[in-house]
Amino acid sequence: DSGVTQTPKHLITATGQRVTLRCSPRSGDLSVYWYQQSLDQGLQFLIQYYNGEERAKGNILERFSAQQFPDLHSELNLSSLELGDSALYFCASSVGPVSFGEPQHFGDGTRLSIL
Amino acid sequence: LAKTTQPISMDSYEGQEVNITCSHNNIATNDYITWYQQFPSQGPRFIIQGYKTKVTNEVASLFIPADRKSSTLSLPRVSLSDTAVYYCLVGARSGNTPLVFGKGTRLSVIA
Repeated sequence: DSGVTQTPKHLITATGQRVTLRCSPRSGDLSVYWYQQSLDQGLQFLIQYYNGEERAKGNILERFSAQQFPDLHSELNLSSLELGDSALYFCASSVGPVSFGEPQHFGDGTRLSIL
Repeated sequence: LAKTTQPISMDSYEGQEVNITCSHNNIATNDYITWYQQFPSQGPRFIIQGYKTKVTNEVASLFIPADRKSSTLSLPRVSLSDTAVYYCLVGARSGNTPLVFGKGTRLSVIA
Protein backbone atom coordinates (compact mmCIF):
# COMPACT_ATOMS: atom_id res chain seq x y z
CA ASP A 1 0.00 0.00 0.00
CA SER A 2 1.58 3.26 -1.18
CA GLY A 3 -0.59 5.46 1.05
CA VAL A 4 -1.94 7.36 -1.96
CA THR A 5 -5.70 7.09 -2.36
CA GLN A 6 -7.51 7.65 -5.63
CA THR A 7 -11.25 7.74 -6.16
CA PRO A 8 -13.19 6.51 -7.94
CA LYS A 9 -11.45 3.32 -9.09
CA HIS A 10 -13.59 3.09 -12.19
CA LEU A 11 -15.54 5.71 -14.11
CA ILE A 12 -17.71 5.19 -17.15
CA THR A 13 -19.16 8.15 -18.96
CA ALA A 14 -20.04 9.46 -22.39
CA THR A 15 -18.35 11.78 -24.85
CA GLY A 16 -18.78 15.45 -24.11
CA GLN A 17 -19.19 14.93 -20.39
CA ARG A 18 -17.07 16.24 -17.52
CA VAL A 19 -15.56 14.20 -14.68
CA THR A 20 -13.50 14.85 -11.58
CA LEU A 21 -10.85 12.49 -10.31
CA ARG A 22 -9.71 12.78 -6.72
CA CYS A 23 -6.39 12.04 -5.06
CA SER A 24 -5.31 12.04 -1.43
CA PRO A 25 -1.53 12.04 -1.11
CA ARG A 26 0.49 10.01 1.33
CA SER A 27 0.58 11.51 4.80
CA GLY A 28 3.33 14.13 4.95
CA ASP A 29 3.75 14.49 1.19
CA LEU A 30 3.33 17.99 -0.18
CA SER A 31 3.67 17.28 -3.90
CA VAL A 32 1.01 15.69 -6.05
CA TYR A 33 1.52 14.54 -9.64
CA TRP A 34 -1.00 13.41 -12.23
CA TYR A 35 -0.24 10.92 -15.02
CA GLN A 36 -2.21 9.42 -17.86
CA GLN A 37 -1.52 5.91 -19.08
CA SER A 38 -3.05 4.63 -22.29
CA LEU A 39 -2.14 1.58 -24.32
CA ASP A 40 -0.61 3.50 -27.20
CA GLN A 41 1.00 6.41 -25.33
CA GLY A 42 2.43 4.77 -22.26
CA LEU A 43 2.67 6.71 -19.00
CA GLN A 44 2.52 10.47 -19.61
CA PHE A 45 3.18 13.18 -17.03
CA LEU A 46 0.36 15.71 -16.91
CA ILE A 47 0.91 18.18 -14.08
CA GLN A 48 2.46 18.66 -10.64
CA TYR A 49 1.37 20.68 -7.62
CA TYR A 50 3.43 21.47 -4.57
CA ASN A 51 1.74 22.77 -1.44
CA GLY A 52 -1.16 24.16 -3.42
CA GLU A 53 0.77 25.74 -6.26
CA GLU A 54 1.30 24.48 -9.78
CA ARG A 55 4.92 23.40 -10.09
CA ALA A 56 5.36 21.73 -13.45
CA LYS A 57 3.26 21.09 -16.50
CA GLY A 58 3.56 18.26 -18.98
CA ASN A 59 1.38 17.13 -21.84
CA ILE A 60 -1.87 18.24 -20.31
CA LEU A 61 -4.69 19.20 -22.66
CA GLU A 62 -6.49 22.52 -22.27
CA ARG A 63 -9.69 20.55 -21.60
CA PHE A 64 -8.01 19.19 -18.47
CA SER A 65 -7.35 21.14 -15.31
CA ALA A 66 -6.20 20.34 -11.81
CA GLN A 67 -5.84 21.92 -8.42
CA GLN A 68 -4.47 21.11 -5.00
CA PHE A 69 -6.47 22.15 -1.98
CA PRO A 70 -5.25 23.43 1.42
CA ASP A 71 -5.64 19.94 2.90
CA LEU A 72 -3.28 18.80 0.08
CA HIS A 73 -5.73 16.57 -1.72
CA SER A 74 -5.91 17.15 -5.44
CA GLU A 75 -8.52 16.94 -8.14
CA LEU A 76 -8.10 16.43 -11.86
CA ASN A 77 -10.97 17.77 -13.94
CA LEU A 78 -11.52 16.42 -17.42
CA SER A 79 -14.09 18.13 -19.62
CA SER A 80 -15.53 17.75 -23.12
CA LEU A 81 -14.45 14.15 -22.95
CA GLU A 82 -13.44 12.32 -26.11
CA LEU A 83 -13.06 8.63 -26.82
CA GLY A 84 -9.29 9.08 -26.79
CA ASP A 85 -9.38 10.20 -23.16
CA SER A 86 -10.11 6.65 -22.09
CA ALA A 87 -7.12 5.68 -19.99
CA LEU A 88 -5.79 4.96 -16.54
CA TYR A 89 -5.15 8.14 -14.58
CA PHE A 90 -2.58 7.89 -11.82
CA CYS A 91 -1.85 10.24 -9.00
CA ALA A 92 1.50 10.17 -7.24
CA SER A 93 2.91 12.06 -4.30
CA SER A 94 6.28 12.90 -2.83
CA VAL A 95 7.58 14.85 0.14
CA GLY A 96 9.20 17.80 -1.57
CA PRO A 97 8.88 19.85 -4.72
CA VAL A 98 11.54 18.02 -6.67
CA SER A 99 10.09 15.74 -9.31
CA PHE A 100 12.96 13.41 -10.02
CA GLY A 101 15.22 13.40 -7.03
CA GLU A 102 13.00 11.56 -4.60
CA PRO A 103 10.74 8.53 -5.01
CA GLN A 104 7.19 9.16 -6.10
CA HIS A 105 4.48 7.05 -4.52
CA PHE A 106 1.70 6.11 -6.91
CA GLY A 107 -1.93 5.32 -6.25
CA ASP A 108 -3.72 2.47 -8.00
CA GLY A 109 -5.32 4.78 -10.50
CA THR A 110 -8.74 5.63 -11.84
CA ARG A 111 -9.78 3.75 -14.95
CA LEU A 112 -11.79 6.10 -17.15
CA SER A 113 -13.87 4.63 -19.94
CA ILE A 114 -15.58 6.88 -22.46
CA LEU A 115 -18.46 5.35 -24.36
CA LEU B 1 16.23 14.89 -20.87
CA ALA B 2 18.45 11.91 -21.57
CA LYS B 3 16.73 9.31 -23.71
CA THR B 4 16.78 5.73 -22.52
CA THR B 5 16.69 2.47 -24.45
CA GLN B 6 15.82 -0.84 -22.85
CA PRO B 7 14.66 -4.21 -24.17
CA ILE B 8 10.95 -4.47 -24.83
CA SER B 9 10.59 -7.81 -23.12
CA MET B 10 12.50 -10.52 -21.28
CA ASP B 11 11.65 -14.00 -20.06
CA SER B 12 13.18 -15.77 -17.09
CA TYR B 13 12.65 -18.89 -15.03
CA GLU B 14 11.90 -18.73 -11.36
CA GLY B 15 14.96 -18.65 -9.15
CA GLN B 16 17.24 -17.11 -11.76
CA GLU B 17 18.97 -13.76 -11.54
CA VAL B 18 17.62 -11.26 -14.05
CA ASN B 19 19.64 -8.37 -15.43
CA ILE B 20 17.90 -5.62 -17.35
CA THR B 21 20.18 -3.18 -19.12
CA CYS B 22 19.28 0.39 -19.98
CA SER B 23 21.25 2.56 -22.40
CA HIS B 24 21.45 6.31 -21.85
CA ASN B 25 24.26 7.55 -24.06
CA ASN B 26 23.59 11.26 -23.57
CA ILE B 27 23.29 11.22 -19.80
CA ALA B 28 24.25 14.55 -18.25
CA THR B 29 26.63 15.13 -15.36
CA ASN B 30 23.83 15.93 -12.94
CA ASP B 31 21.58 13.07 -14.02
CA TYR B 32 20.64 10.17 -11.78
CA ILE B 33 19.28 6.81 -12.88
CA THR B 34 16.04 5.55 -11.38
CA TRP B 35 14.10 2.34 -11.86
CA TYR B 36 10.39 1.77 -11.29
CA GLN B 37 8.32 -1.42 -11.38
CA GLN B 38 4.72 -1.59 -12.50
CA PHE B 39 2.25 -4.44 -12.12
CA PRO B 40 -0.88 -4.58 -14.30
CA SER B 41 -3.55 -2.08 -13.23
CA GLN B 42 -1.30 -0.65 -10.51
CA GLY B 43 0.79 2.47 -10.30
CA PRO B 44 4.57 2.29 -10.72
CA ARG B 45 6.64 1.54 -7.64
CA PHE B 46 10.09 2.99 -6.97
CA ILE B 47 12.78 0.31 -6.90
CA ILE B 48 16.18 1.94 -6.79
CA GLN B 49 18.16 5.05 -7.72
CA GLY B 50 21.85 5.59 -8.29
CA TYR B 51 24.50 7.90 -9.72
CA LYS B 52 27.58 5.72 -10.21
CA THR B 53 29.16 2.36 -9.35
CA LYS B 54 26.80 0.08 -7.45
CA VAL B 55 23.74 0.58 -5.31
CA THR B 56 22.00 -2.24 -3.48
CA ASN B 57 18.82 -2.41 -1.44
CA GLU B 58 16.57 -5.18 -0.19
CA VAL B 59 14.91 -5.55 -3.58
CA ALA B 60 17.56 -5.07 -6.28
CA SER B 61 21.01 -3.92 -7.26
CA LEU B 62 21.91 -1.22 -9.72
CA PHE B 63 25.22 -1.36 -11.56
CA ILE B 64 26.50 1.76 -13.29
CA PRO B 65 29.82 1.68 -15.21
CA ALA B 66 32.31 4.50 -15.02
CA ASP B 67 31.13 6.17 -18.25
CA ARG B 68 27.51 6.04 -17.00
CA LYS B 69 26.22 5.51 -20.52
CA SER B 70 24.31 2.46 -19.42
CA SER B 71 23.02 0.84 -16.25
CA THR B 72 21.90 -2.63 -15.24
CA LEU B 73 19.10 -3.48 -12.86
CA SER B 74 19.74 -6.84 -11.24
CA LEU B 75 16.93 -8.82 -9.61
CA PRO B 76 18.23 -11.78 -7.61
CA ARG B 77 16.34 -15.09 -7.70
CA VAL B 78 13.15 -13.86 -9.33
CA SER B 79 9.76 -15.34 -8.53
CA LEU B 80 6.47 -15.32 -10.41
CA SER B 81 5.48 -12.17 -8.50
CA ASP B 82 8.32 -10.26 -10.17
CA THR B 83 6.45 -10.43 -13.47
CA ALA B 84 5.96 -6.74 -14.27
CA VAL B 85 7.09 -3.86 -16.45
CA TYR B 86 10.36 -2.23 -15.41
CA TYR B 87 11.11 1.37 -16.35
CA CYS B 88 14.51 3.04 -16.50
CA LEU B 89 14.46 6.82 -16.06
CA VAL B 90 17.24 9.39 -16.20
CA GLY B 91 17.08 12.93 -14.91
CA ALA B 92 18.54 15.60 -12.69
CA ARG B 93 17.88 15.00 -9.03
CA SER B 94 17.50 18.69 -8.26
CA GLY B 95 15.37 21.23 -10.06
CA ASN B 96 12.04 20.08 -11.33
CA THR B 97 12.74 17.36 -13.86
CA PRO B 98 9.53 15.38 -14.39
CA LEU B 99 9.57 11.61 -14.62
CA VAL B 100 9.62 10.52 -18.26
CA PHE B 101 8.52 6.92 -18.67
CA GLY B 102 9.34 5.07 -21.86
CA LYS B 103 7.85 1.74 -22.88
CA GLY B 104 9.77 -0.15 -20.22
CA THR B 105 10.82 -3.79 -20.20
CA ARG B 106 8.12 -6.39 -19.74
CA LEU B 107 9.60 -9.17 -17.61
CA SER B 108 7.80 -12.51 -17.62
CA VAL B 109 8.86 -15.02 -15.00
CA ILE B 110 8.06 -18.63 -15.85
CA ALA B 111 7.66 -21.46 -13.36
